[in-house]
Amino acid sequence: AQSVAQPEDQVNVAEGNPLTVKCTYSVSGNPYLFWYVQYPNRGLQFLLKYITGDNLVKGSYGFEAEFNKSQTSFHLKKPSALVSDSALYFCAVRDINNDMRFGAGTRLTVKP
Amino acid sequence: DAGITQSPRHKVTETGTPVTLRCHQTENHRYMYWYRQDPGHGLRLIHYSYGVKDTDKGEVSDGYSVSRSKTEDFLLTLESATSSQTSVYFCAVLGPSYEQYFGPGTRLTVT
Repeated sequence: AQSVAQPEDQVNVAEGNPLTVKCTYSVSGNPYLFWYVQYPNRGLQFLLKYITGDNLVKGSYGFEAEFNKSQTSFHLKKPSALVSDSALYFCAVRDINNDMRFGAGTRLTVKP
Repeated sequence: DAGITQSPRHKVTETGTPVTLRCHQTENHRYMYWYRQDPGHGLRLIHYSYGVKDTDKGEVSDGYSVSRSKTEDFLLTLESATSSQTSVYFCAVLGPSYEQYFGPGTRLTVT
């Protein structure tokens, strides 16, 4: 069965430091992988996706993610965190039925 | 929010009453989705639609029904609301490269 795991409920980083939010997946066939961000009292916003091509994908707000097939991972990264990056982040995979499977979410807190 | 609105934005209702949530989109997307968001579970798919009058069940469809009589509207109905259906409900549409775009959500409380 297709699934997504976000092993960390919470990630804390200091402003200006690099951040990583982890995601691993299990899927049959080639994965379609996504990251979304949710700010308080808002819907999810699409950040970036991997479907094919370069393993390093760049998205909105300076975020990027690295697809690693051997480790079945798709970690979200940013070189220098901002306080405004504080939000809930979701990894998702498009499964064999074309449905989107979401991870449980990781709350990122960036401290000044 | 990709032209997606949801109504109502907040609702409190009593156990056993029917409730209908509305999702409206203005950009002619073919696929539409209803999710619920609960702490520790991320988003879980309730139902989705792949065209007018074409719908299918998702992961957590029990107790919910949907209808899509027009491209722009996708309705979610709780036939007889239960406390376990207290949640935040999100509507989404499918973009051109498989990404989804979400509405602002409806917070439903069943007392």
